Amino acid sequence: DGGITQSPKYLFRKEGQNVTLSCEQNLNHDAMYWYRQDPGQGLRLIYYSQIVNDFQKGDIAEGYSVSREKKESFPLTVTSAQKNPTAFYLCASSNRQLNSNQPQHFGDGTRLSIL
Amino acid sequence: AQSVTQLDSHVSVSEGTPVLLRCNYSSSYSPSLFWYVQHPNKGLQLLLKYTSAATLVKGINGFEAEFKKSETSFHLTKPSAHMSDAAEYFCVVSDSYGGKLIFGQGTELSVKP
Repeated sequence: DGGITQSPKYLFRKEGQNVTLSCEQNLNHDAMYWYRQDPGQGLRLIYYSQIVNDFQKGDIAEGYSVSREKKESFPLTVTSAQKNPTAFYLCASSNRQLNSNQPQHFGDGTRLSIL
Repeated sequence: AQSVTQLDSHVSVSEGTPVLLRCNYSSSYSPSLFWYVQHPNKGLQLLLKYTSAATLVKGINGFEAEFKKSETSFHLTKPSAHMSDAAEYFCVVSDSYGGKLIFGQGTELSVKP
């Protein structure tokens, strides 16, 4: 079945460490997205990519980095510069946005906690 | 700029009774609107989308939503709640460029037996 796979499901980070969250999709979608979700809040966009080898900052990109070397993969690195990384991270993908009505498909998320 | 407001942070209904989750939006053009559902520790699943073809949109699991331009609303309804409907629901508007989604704060739906 086609879908989006995020791994790991749970991740723990020590102070000062960088960690990388994996996101893989087999939907043949051009666009991919990373969101952060905090309790009682909606999703906030971290980074997005509409095509391989290109990506843009979202609303809360500070302390995060991404790469898009392959169409199916869009890993997110949470760096030590991100002072409050504890959150639920969601990856999504969609067909390339020629207009605004393409829905996004979501993975099951990675929950990141600080030790 | 686009924005979306979900008017209730929590809604509680009894099984078998109607569900109403309210959403107002702000947009300077004809928007695309979505409702997503999220079960605990899961990703978001698309319930339905409005893209100007019809004002009454039918989605999965018996949900539907009506786009009312005059009221800038896109409320989600279901005639009869089921226990499995208990989840977080997000109203979402799509940005005009690049398909960026703007999320409401979410409404938690509880269903009592």
